[in-house]
Amino acid sequence: DTAVSQTPKYLVTQMGNDKSIKCEQNLGHDTMYWYKQDSKKFLKIMFSYNNKELIINETVPNRFSPKSPDKAHLNLHINSLELGDSAVYFCASSQDPASDTQYFGPGTRLTVL
Amino acid sequence: GENVEQHPSTLSVQEGDSAVIKCTYSDSASNYFPWYKQELGKGPQLIIDIRSNVGEKKDQRIAVTLNKTAKHFSLHITETQPEDSAVYFCAEGESGSARQLTFGSGTQLTVLP
Repeated sequence: DTAVSQTPKYLVTQMGNDKSIKCEQNLGHDTMYWYKQDSKKFLKIMFSYNNKELIINETVPNRFSPKSPDKAHLNLHINSLELGDSAVYFCASSQDPASDTQYFGPGTRLTVL
Repeated sequence: GENVEQHPSTLSVQEGDSAVIKCTYSDSASNYFPWYKQELGKGPQLIIDIRSNVGEKKDQRIAVTLNKTAKHFSLHITETQPEDSAVYFCAEGESGSARQLTFGSGTQLTVLP
């Protein structure tokens, strides 16, 4: 069974569109994350979320918003997509946000044309 | 990440040789130091971690050393094999704090057959 799953794996879309990426974890973890990995492989955290608190990286545009229907899911919504949004997006989860293993999903490669 | 620097960015070694990747951090409160391996097309996966109450930890061909005084920690891979080729990320965190894990910029390791 996959611990952290993401859909879709590939997403190709036009500039200006709105899209969503779904994430689910079956590990019972309290905290979930979204990361953006650019072409240079740098991993940038976008959001950290548990049932108590949403922590937003201040550099993330407000076109990006996480939505958590329940503890096992954290979806990423992106409005008005721009060329610079093209990247690989990873969902992850852990029990403790600061000192516990983070389990990553397989990634979603987003290409904005 | 701004709290951790990782070197080198690329590293090529001959099969059977050793590889060393180094990271330095700035926050003296940091006490958790994991290393992640990211294979092509996959999400990062934890391979080893160390906490500040120990100076070295080994797991078969992989070892991590920590120097809290100098604020640096290193990943050592011995007897490298082609399947060790991947991007490796160091990270640092502070157990019990709200601060999130911060990742280094990554090292592309290539093991030449």
